[in-house]
Amino acid sequence: ETGVTQTPRHLVMGMTNKKSLKCEQHLGHNAMYWYKQSAKKPLELMFVYSLEERVENNSVPSRFSPECPNSSHLFLHLHTLQPEDSALYLCASSQARAGEYTDTQYFGPGTRLTVL
Amino acid sequence: QKEVEQDPGPLSVPEGAIVSLNCTYSNSAFQYFMWYRQYSRKGPELLMYTYSSGNKEDGRFTAQVDKSSKYISLFIRDSQPSDSATYLCAMSATWNYGGSQGNLIFGKGTKLSVKP
Repeated sequence: ETGVTQTPRHLVMGMTNKKSLKCEQHLGHNAMYWYKQSAKKPLELMFVYSLEERVENNSVPSRFSPECPNSSHLFLHLHTLQPEDSALYLCASSQARAGEYTDTQYFGPGTRLTVL
Repeated sequence: QKEVEQDPGPLSVPEGAIVSLNCTYSNSAFQYFMWYRQYSRKGPELLMYTYSSGNKEDGRFTAQVDKSSKYISLFIRDSQPSDSATYLCAMSATWNYGGSQGNLIFGKGTKLSVKP
């Protein structure tokens, strides 16, 4: 496996279900991200993890819960979602180094989530 | 006013045409400007990045930043059917060491179709 992988690629769940999205990066990066991509809306950053800290967007509902057990794996735990949460959920990773002004993010293919 | 404005298109051009994609923004603190390309059913991939104002060229692609007008552009010369994708502009004010991402703000994306 190379790059950033995400599983599952497609997920259909009811509003009372609990499911998890998985992301794995094979690039040796030190930061990982969850984004939400909805139709006709910009990419929305949900969560960021680095070796040093977790940055959380306060506007993300608590029904989304991230977990980063190590620098290569990232999960997004989902429970009691709403139909408006249906979207493409993208994982990304990056390697930030002091003195460099770019932090190129590499994206996975995404999980297409449908909440019924 | 939204932080980043991008015409969603769709934009359809014949093969060989010069394509101009644009974004405007309101936050004068933005210093880092990126263009991502997203093929159908794939995650975004970084195409080009620019720091501050000026031009950057990479093959058939040229990125321009005009900070005085808060306007960025991506030009594609000799467009090919393989360029058909959604192009996302993204920008941020800072990059923090340690992988903690500052706010990377995306446009909605412009869907481009290059007809053979």
